[in-house]
Amino acid sequence: QLQLQESGPGLVKPSETLSLTCTVSGGSISSSDYYWGWIRQPPGKGLEWIGTIYYSGNTYYNPSLKSRVTILLGTSKNHFSLKLSSVTAADTAVYYCARGRGGWFDPWGQGTLVTVSS
Amino acid sequence: EIVLTQSPGTLSLSPGERATLSCRASQSVSSTYLAWYQQKPGQAPRLLIYGASSGATGIPDRFSGSGSGTDFTLTISRLEPEDFAVYYCQQYGSSLWTFGQGTKVEIK
Repeated sequence: QLQLQESGPGLVKPSETLSLTCTVSGGSISSSDYYWGWIRQPPGKGLEWIGTIYYSGNTYYNPSLKSRVTILLGTSKNHFSLKLSSVTAADTAVYYCARGRGGWFDPWGQGTLVTVSS
Repeated sequence: EIVLTQSPGTLSLSPGERATLSCRASQSVSSTYLAWYQQKPGQAPRLLIYGASSGATGIPDRFSGSGSGTDFTLTISRLEPEDFAVYYCQQYGSSLWTFGQGTKVEIK
């Protein structure tokens, strides 16, 4: 059974770069049948798609975040990563990683709360 | 970018009642790429419906999806206590994914 687990600092200072890793177990990140995504959820609010990466390495980002986001595959270690630069308090959220297929995401990781504060 | 608008914002119903949730797109969405998720407090979203009407693995058959073009519906035929949660629709198109703002189904 495929499982995803987010990891990274829970506290990031304003203007710095948020870095998270999603570790995939029970399946290969190198499968061409799937893609991998990051989604976030500010406290008490809805879901926001951040970006997606395919097996080929092609990436697609939310236009509202594109200038600050980088998603990379770590094929040798079955993980993928998220970097979000120049963070502000508005980037405080639970960050989820998920596997994608067709146009949907399933399954999701449990999520990790990242707070932006000095 | 396609905007998804869900209604109502909150639905107050009793167990055993039927729930009808709406998701309207700002432009036509391929049914293939319309999904619904359930999210309970403190949990990650769970896929319920994909391809507008196909149930995900392990999802009870009281959950059904329908619709096409710009109007999609999630129906819960008879609400069970565990169904009170927030529901999101989501679409994919032109290499962009977007979510609706969510509908909360609460106990009346």
